[in-house]
Amino acid sequence: AQSVTQLGSHVSVSEGALVLLRCNYSSSVPPYLFWYVQYPNQGLQLLLKYTTGATLVKGINGFEAEFKKSETSFHLTKPSAHMSDAAEYFCAVSLSNSGYALNFGKGTSLLVTP
Amino acid sequence: GAVVSQHPSRVICKSGTSVKIECRSLDFQATTMFWYRQFPKQSLMLMATSNEGSKATYEQGVEKDKFLINHASLTLSTLTVTSAHPEDSSFYICSAKVGLAQETQYFGPGTRLLVL
Repeated sequence: AQSVTQLGSHVSVSEGALVLLRCNYSSSVPPYLFWYVQYPNQGLQLLLKYTTGATLVKGINGFEAEFKKSETSFHLTKPSAHMSDAAEYFCAVSLSNSGYALNFGKGTSLLVTP
Repeated sequence: GAVVSQHPSRVICKSGTSVKIECRSLDFQATTMFWYRQFPKQSLMLMATSNEGSKATYEQGVEKDKFLINHASLTLSTLTVTSAHPEDSSFYICSAKVGLAQETQYFGPGTRLLVL
């Protein structure tokens, strides 16, 4: 079985500051890892994913994440926050032996202040 | 590419009635579709996995007779909430992926259900 823990249900940063959203996972086999963003009353948009290969993954809107197997982490970062980044962010894990069904973390709400 | 639509976007119904939600993959064929439920300020919970042409696989605790899922074609899956009650009020989101071996899911915009 796999699970995801997102540390911090709410994160607040100033516009232009570094964004760091934390995600740790547990899995008995190599997982596939995802970050999704959700704006109010909307579905989820894929930011980036890690499957195999390079552990530093670049996504849309300037976000990136690094897969660290030794730390079982997949933290999401962005060098400079923009007001439009305010949203709910979900980390998720899936396994090939479960049909790639997604197991989501509880989500982190990002607030960007002027 | 990889656009998934849902209809309706929101629905209000009376307690005891049934509601059908459609999920369509607009520009690809989806062999597998997933249905999720999201309560306010909470994460998405997988309800069921639907493979085209076969019966849906429901997650533990999800009543298959209450949440009827049909995946009759490669571009359409439907979720019918039967005899809806106020506790069924939620945000329902579907996702689709291209093939069994594909790991990426594309999400629909969600359907807000309110049962009075």
